[in-house]
Amino acid sequence: EVQLVESGGGLVQPGGSLRLSCAASGFTFSSYEMNWVRQAPGKGLEWVSYISSSGSTIYYADSVKGRFTISRDNAKNSLYLQMNSLRAEDTAVYYCARNRYCSGGSCYGMDVWGQGTTVTVSS
Amino acid sequence: SYVLTQPPSVSVAPGQTARITCGGNNIGSKSVHWYQQKPGQAPVLVVYDDSDRPSGIPERFSGSNSGNTATLTISRVEAGDEADYYCQVWDSSSDHEVFGGGTKLTVL
Repeated sequence: EVQLVESGGGLVQPGGSLRLSCAASGFTFSSYEMNWVRQAPGKGLEWVSYISSSGSTIYYADSVKGRFTISRDNAKNSLYLQMNSLRAEDTAVYYCARNRYCSGGSCYGMDVWGQGTTVTVSS
Repeated sequence: SYVLTQPPSVSVAPGQTARITCGGNNIGSKSVHWYQQKPGQAPVLVVYDDSDRPSGIPERFSGSNSGNTATLTISRVEAGDEADYYCQVWDSSSDHEVFGGGTKLTVL
Protein backbone atom coordinates (compact mmCIF):
# COMPACT_ATOMS: atom_id res chain seq x y z
CA GLU A 1 0.00 0.00 0.00
CA VAL A 2 1.27 3.43 -0.96
CA GLN A 3 1.55 5.44 2.23
CA LEU A 4 3.02 8.57 3.77
CA VAL A 5 3.18 8.94 7.55
CA GLU A 6 4.17 12.23 9.17
CA SER A 7 5.55 12.64 12.66
CA GLY A 8 7.33 15.18 14.81
CA GLY A 9 4.58 17.71 15.43
CA GLY A 10 3.89 19.19 18.82
CA LEU A 11 3.70 22.31 20.95
CA VAL A 12 6.62 24.72 20.68
CA GLN A 13 7.22 28.24 21.92
CA PRO A 14 7.58 31.19 19.54
CA GLY A 15 11.14 31.35 18.28
CA GLY A 16 11.62 27.64 18.82
CA SER A 17 12.44 24.84 16.41
CA LEU A 18 10.86 21.57 15.34
CA ARG A 19 11.74 18.86 12.84
CA LEU A 20 9.00 17.06 10.98
CA SER A 21 9.49 13.68 9.32
CA CYS A 22 7.52 11.86 6.65
CA ALA A 23 8.05 8.13 6.16
CA ALA A 24 7.19 6.77 2.73
CA SER A 25 6.30 3.19 1.87
CA GLY A 26 4.78 1.18 -0.95
CA PHE A 27 6.47 3.06 -3.79
CA THR A 28 9.93 3.97 -5.05
CA PHE A 29 10.44 7.09 -2.97
CA SER A 30 13.61 8.14 -4.77
CA SER A 31 11.68 8.53 -8.04
CA TYR A 32 9.24 11.15 -6.83
CA GLU A 33 9.28 14.85 -6.06
CA MET A 34 7.79 15.71 -2.69
CA ASN A 35 6.14 18.63 -0.94
CA TRP A 36 5.09 19.94 2.43
CA VAL A 37 1.65 21.56 2.54
CA ARG A 38 0.09 23.08 5.64
CA GLN A 39 -3.37 24.05 6.81
CA ALA A 40 -3.93 26.53 9.62
CA PRO A 41 -6.97 25.92 11.82
CA GLY A 42 -10.14 26.68 9.87
CA LYS A 43 -8.16 27.85 6.84
CA GLY A 44 -7.28 26.56 3.39
CA LEU A 45 -4.31 24.65 2.06
CA GLU A 46 -0.98 26.48 1.79
CA TRP A 47 1.99 25.02 -0.07
CA VAL A 48 5.17 25.26 2.00
CA SER A 49 8.07 23.63 0.15
CA TYR A 50 9.12 21.33 -2.72
CA ILE A 51 12.09 19.05 -3.19
CA SER A 52 13.09 17.21 -6.35
CA SER A 53 13.57 13.46 -6.41
CA SER A 54 17.34 13.74 -6.03
CA GLY A 55 17.15 16.62 -3.55
CA SER A 56 19.07 18.92 -5.87
CA THR A 57 16.23 21.38 -6.47
CA ILE A 58 14.33 23.01 -3.63
CA TYR A 59 11.69 25.72 -3.50
CA TYR A 60 9.99 27.51 -0.60
CA ALA A 61 6.95 29.65 -0.08
CA ASP A 62 7.87 33.24 0.74
CA SER A 63 6.24 32.87 4.17
CA VAL A 64 8.82 30.28 5.31
CA LYS A 65 11.90 31.06 3.21
CA GLY A 66 14.96 31.48 5.39
CA ARG A 67 13.33 29.76 8.36
CA PHE A 68 12.39 26.30 7.08
CA THR A 69 14.61 23.71 5.41
CA ILE A 70 13.31 20.76 3.42
CA SER A 71 15.47 17.68 2.92
CA ARG A 72 15.18 14.00 2.10
CA ASP A 73 17.04 10.75 2.66
CA ASN A 74 16.24 8.40 -0.22
CA ALA A 75 18.07 5.55 1.50
CA LYS A 76 15.67 5.85 4.41
CA ASN A 77 12.58 6.66 2.30
CA SER A 78 12.10 9.78 4.36
CA LEU A 79 11.27 13.45 3.88
CA TYR A 80 12.02 16.12 6.48
CA LEU A 81 11.12 19.69 7.32
CA GLN A 82 13.36 21.57 9.75
CA MET A 83 11.41 24.53 11.10
CA ASN A 84 13.29 27.30 12.91
CA SER A 85 12.26 30.69 14.31
CA LEU A 86 8.69 29.48 14.58
CA ARG A 87 5.86 31.99 14.78
CA ALA A 88 2.25 31.76 15.91
CA GLU A 89 1.18 31.93 12.27
CA ASP A 90 3.06 28.68 11.59
CA THR A 91 0.46 26.84 13.68
CA ALA A 92 -1.10 24.31 11.33
CA VAL A 93 -1.49 20.71 10.31
CA TYR A 94 1.49 19.85 8.13
CA TYR A 95 1.03 17.31 5.34
CA CYS A 96 3.65 15.69 3.17
CA ALA A 97 2.43 15.06 -0.35
CA ARG A 98 3.84 13.26 -3.37
CA ASN A 99 3.87 14.92 -6.77
CA ARG A 100 2.16 12.75 -9.35
CA TYR A 101 4.94 13.69 -11.69
CA CYS A 102 7.03 16.67 -12.74
CA SER A 103 8.40 17.41 -16.19
CA GLY A 104 9.82 20.34 -18.08
CA GLY A 105 9.97 22.55 -15.03
CA SER A 106 6.36 21.99 -14.02
CA CYS A 107 4.63 19.58 -11.65
CA TYR A 108 1.27 17.95 -12.22
CA GLY A 109 -0.74 17.39 -9.08
CA MET A 110 -0.20 15.68 -5.72
CA ASP A 111 -1.63 12.19 -5.67
CA VAL A 112 -0.59 10.79 -2.29
CA TRP A 113 -0.96 12.62 1.02
CA GLY A 114 -0.11 11.73 4.58
CA GLN A 115 -2.57 12.10 7.43
CA GLY A 116 -0.80 15.19 8.74
CA THR A 117 1.00 16.19 11.91
CA THR A 118 -0.07 19.14 14.05
CA VAL A 119 2.30 21.96 14.95
CA THR A 120 1.21 24.47 17.56
CA VAL A 121 3.32 27.54 18.22
CA SER A 122 2.30 29.16 21.48
CA SER A 123 3.75 30.40 24.73
CA SER B 1 2.52 35.72 -7.51
CA TYR B 2 -0.21 33.75 -9.21
CA VAL B 3 -3.64 33.87 -7.56
CA LEU B 4 -6.48 31.37 -7.80
CA THR B 5 -9.96 32.56 -6.84
CA GLN B 6 -12.75 30.21 -5.73
CA PRO B 7 -16.22 30.98 -4.38
CA PRO B 8 -16.32 30.37 -0.62
CA SER B 9 -19.41 28.20 -0.83
CA VAL B 10 -21.66 26.33 -3.23
CA SER B 11 -24.93 24.66 -2.29
CA VAL B 12 -26.79 22.03 -4.26
CA ALA B 13 -29.64 19.59 -3.71
CA PRO B 14 -28.99 15.84 -3.88
CA GLY B 15 -29.13 14.52 -7.41
CA GLN B 16 -28.39 17.89 -8.96
CA THR B 17 -25.16 19.14 -10.53
CA ALA B 18 -22.60 21.19 -8.63
CA ARG B 19 -20.15 23.43 -10.43
CA ILE B 20 -17.18 24.90 -8.58
CA THR B 21 -15.12 27.51 -10.37
CA CYS B 22 -11.47 28.46 -10.07
CA GLY B 23 -10.40 31.75 -11.60
CA GLY B 24 -6.88 32.73 -12.58
CA ASN B 25 -5.13 34.83 -15.17
CA ASN B 26 -5.00 32.73 -18.35
CA ILE B 27 -5.51 29.60 -16.26
CA GLY B 28 -6.44 27.81 -19.46
CA SER B 29 -2.74 27.64 -20.26
CA LYS B 30 -2.01 25.71 -17.06
CA SER B 31 -2.86 22.23 -15.82
CA VAL B 32 -5.41 22.43 -13.03
CA HIS B 33 -5.86 19.86 -10.29
CA TRP B 34 -8.72 19.50 -7.83
CA TYR B 35 -8.75 18.09 -4.31
CA GLN B 36 -11.57 17.03 -2.03
CA GLN B 37 -11.10 17.40 1.71
CA LYS B 38 -13.58 16.15 4.27
CA PRO B 39 -13.43 17.33 7.91
CA GLY B 40 -10.48 15.90 9.81
CA GLN B 41 -9.08 14.14 6.74
CA ALA B 42 -6.24 14.73 4.33
CA PRO B 43 -6.98 16.08 0.86
CA VAL B 44 -7.73 13.61 -1.93
CA LEU B 45 -6.95 14.26 -5.59
CA VAL B 46 -10.20 13.97 -7.55
CA VAL B 47 -9.26 15.54 -10.90
CA TYR B 48 -5.83 16.14 -12.42
CA ASP B 49 -4.61 17.77 -15.61
CA ASP B 50 -7.85 19.71 -15.98
CA SER B 51 -10.15 16.77 -16.62
CA ASP B 52 -8.63 13.37 -15.80
CA ARG B 53 -9.72 11.25 -12.86
CA PRO B 54 -7.47 9.09 -10.67
CA SER B 55 -8.52 5.49 -10.36
CA GLY B 56 -11.27 5.06 -7.80
CA ILE B 57 -12.80 8.49 -8.33
CA PRO B 58 -16.39 8.25 -9.61
CA GLU B 59 -17.18 9.37 -13.15
CA ARG B 60 -19.54 11.91 -11.59
CA PHE B 61 -16.46 14.09 -11.04
CA SER B 62 -15.26 15.95 -14.12
CA GLY B 63 -13.30 19.06 -14.94
CA SER B 64 -12.78 21.64 -17.63
CA ASN B 65 -10.42 24.54 -18.14
CA SER B 66 -10.49 27.42 -20.60
CA GLY B 67 -9.61 31.08 -20.68
CA ASN B 68 -9.55 32.47 -17.15
CA THR B 69 -11.73 29.83 -15.48
CA ALA B 70 -11.41 26.18 -14.57
CA THR B 71 -14.47 24.28 -13.38
CA LEU B 72 -15.00 21.16 -11.31
CA THR B 73 -18.36 19.57 -12.06
CA ILE B 74 -19.96 17.02 -9.78
CA SER B 75 -22.98 15.32 -11.34
CA ARG B 76 -25.75 13.57 -9.42
CA VAL B 77 -24.47 15.01 -6.17
CA GLU B 78 -24.67 12.77 -3.12
CA ALA B 79 -24.59 13.60 0.58
CA GLY B 80 -21.12 12.06 0.77
CA ASP B 81 -19.78 14.70 -1.65
CA GLU B 82 -20.15 17.37 1.01
CA ALA B 83 -16.60 18.63 1.55
CA ASP B 84 -14.14 21.42 0.86
CA TYR B 85 -12.76 21.50 -2.67
CA TYR B 86 -9.47 23.13 -3.69
CA CYS B 87 -8.06 23.89 -7.11
CA GLN B 88 -4.31 23.93 -7.61
CA VAL B 89 -1.74 24.73 -10.29
CA TRP B 90 2.01 24.86 -10.65
CA ASP B 91 3.14 28.43 -11.26
CA SER B 92 6.25 28.08 -13.39
CA SER B 93 7.08 31.79 -13.14
CA SER B 94 7.70 31.47 -9.41
CA ASP B 95 8.29 27.71 -9.15
CA HIS B 96 5.54 27.51 -6.57
CA GLU B 97 2.55 25.27 -6.14
CA VAL B 98 -0.55 27.47 -5.77
CA PHE B 99 -3.86 26.55 -4.15
CA GLY B 100 -7.16 28.31 -4.44
CA GLY B 101 -8.83 29.45 -1.24
CA GLY B 102 -11.23 26.51 -1.24
CA THR B 103 -14.96 26.08 -1.74
CA LYS B 104 -17.26 24.47 0.80
CA LEU B 105 -19.81 22.30 -0.97
CA THR B 106 -23.04 21.92 0.98
CA VAL B 107 -25.56 19.27 -0.01
CA LEU B 108 -28.98 20.58 0.97
